[in-house]
Amino acid sequence: EIVMTQSPATLSVSPGERATLSCRASQSVSSNLAWYQQKPGQAPRLLIYGASTRATGIPARFSGSGSGTEFTLTISSLQSEDFVVYYCQQYNNWPAFGGGTKVEIK
Amino acid sequence: QVQLVQSGAEVKKPGASVKVSCKASGYTFHNYDITWVRQAPGQGLEWMGWISPYNGYTNYAQNLQGRVTMTTDPSTSTAYMELRSLRSDDTAVYFCARVIYDGTYPPGHWGQGTLVTVSS
Repeated sequence: EIVMTQSPATLSVSPGERATLSCRASQSVSSNLAWYQQKPGQAPRLLIYGASTRATGIPARFSGSGSGTEFTLTISSLQSEDFVVYYCQQYNNWPAFGGGTKVEIK
Repeated sequence: QVQLVQSGAEVKKPGASVKVSCKASGYTFHNYDITWVRQAPGQGLEWMGWISPYNGYTNYAQNLQGRVTMTTDPSTSTAYMELRSLRSDDTAVYFCARVIYDGTYPPGHWGQGTLVTVSS
């Protein structure tokens, strides 16, 4: 079983600043890594797949990088609607999600 | 456009069963697996398993084996997830989802979620 670990659990950032979220896999997942955004009361929204490909309709301020076991989601300039929770998920083997990172206003 | 519409909220007693439906539209139903994910209140996302509407093949999370059954009805493009012997820790929002493309891709189309509350 592959375990996904996200850090930090909570990230405090000012609007307009850059946010960097990390995700680590307990073993290699190649580039089969996705990032989701989840707003309260809503289903997750796919942001990034294949570690670095933006899903349809996702703004360019969201970018993903990494491969193997270390991955990063970067939000270049935080907008008010970006202060929510983000999850990584590997889909290389039995799919698994990370525990999430909450991005809050500093 | 792809749409997944789930059934409404349920309240069940411990030991009972629940069956959640997920009606798909906007694509050819049998071409894409349906995945089920749940989220306990204030917690993260848990992958439950998936089903192939094409051949009925299923793959369930180990911790749910023996209690969960996923099925589909191709005539109505509807997927179902039944969970039996409900416990309080099964209280969660249950989501169905579909991958964005055929092949090794993550879910990108999600239902709105169904809240299942287990309480005596």
